[in-house]
Amino acid sequence: NAGVTQTPKFQVLKTGQSMTLQCAQDMNHNSMYWYRQDPGMGLRLIYYSASEGTTDKGEVPNGYNVSRLNKREFSLRLESAAPSQTSVYFCASRDTTEDGYTFGSGTRLTVV
Amino acid sequence: EDQVTQSPEALRLQEGESSSLNCSYTVSGLRGLFWYRQDPGKGPEFLFTLYSAGEEKEKERLKATLTKKESFLHITAPKPEDSATYLCAVQFTGGGNKLTFGTGTQLKVEL
Repeated sequence: NAGVTQTPKFQVLKTGQSMTLQCAQDMNHNSMYWYRQDPGMGLRLIYYSASEGTTDKGEVPNGYNVSRLNKREFSLRLESAAPSQTSVYFCASRDTTEDGYTFGSGTRLTVV
Repeated sequence: EDQVTQSPEALRLQEGESSSLNCSYTVSGLRGLFWYRQDPGKGPEFLFTLYSAGEEKEKERLKATLTKKESFLHITAPKPEDSATYLCAVQFTGGGNKLTFGTGTQLKVEL
């Protein structure tokens, strides 16, 4: 059982480049989430999808877009990367609001 | 404003030295409080969910408790393998289908 799979694991971008972070879960969960984790800031929510076909902004959505491609996949796109987007990005999923999240192993992104 | 605060930021214990980590919250209504463990370079791992004041849950050397204002994660006779960052998160009423995380307590257990 793979759980939540994120790709890539590491990425270095130049300022202004674009990229898409991929996330897939095989647990048939309804809700999926993208967080970023920065030292001293904790995990902050970027976007989430409560169910297939819906997406909502979180605490720090500026500079990002998301796509809930189907029930399994939820991608995060950086259209024009900035150094402030250097972070570790985590995707998570859960089935109901009573459940804890299952997290992926993260994508470490550096923007130079 | 709904907030989650964890203390201390870092804690160093000797093996076998029991202690507690704190997670305090100011929310308009609590739907659930979640504890996670995070090892370096990995994603957080779910430990417990607590829903109402007075509730307790245990797993090996860990016990989580909940009051109306805070939660404690008690670590009894810790071992070096308990070293990790412990995160708490809150789901609050009217907050939508998402969790708000604290900044974590980094625990180091030494021999």
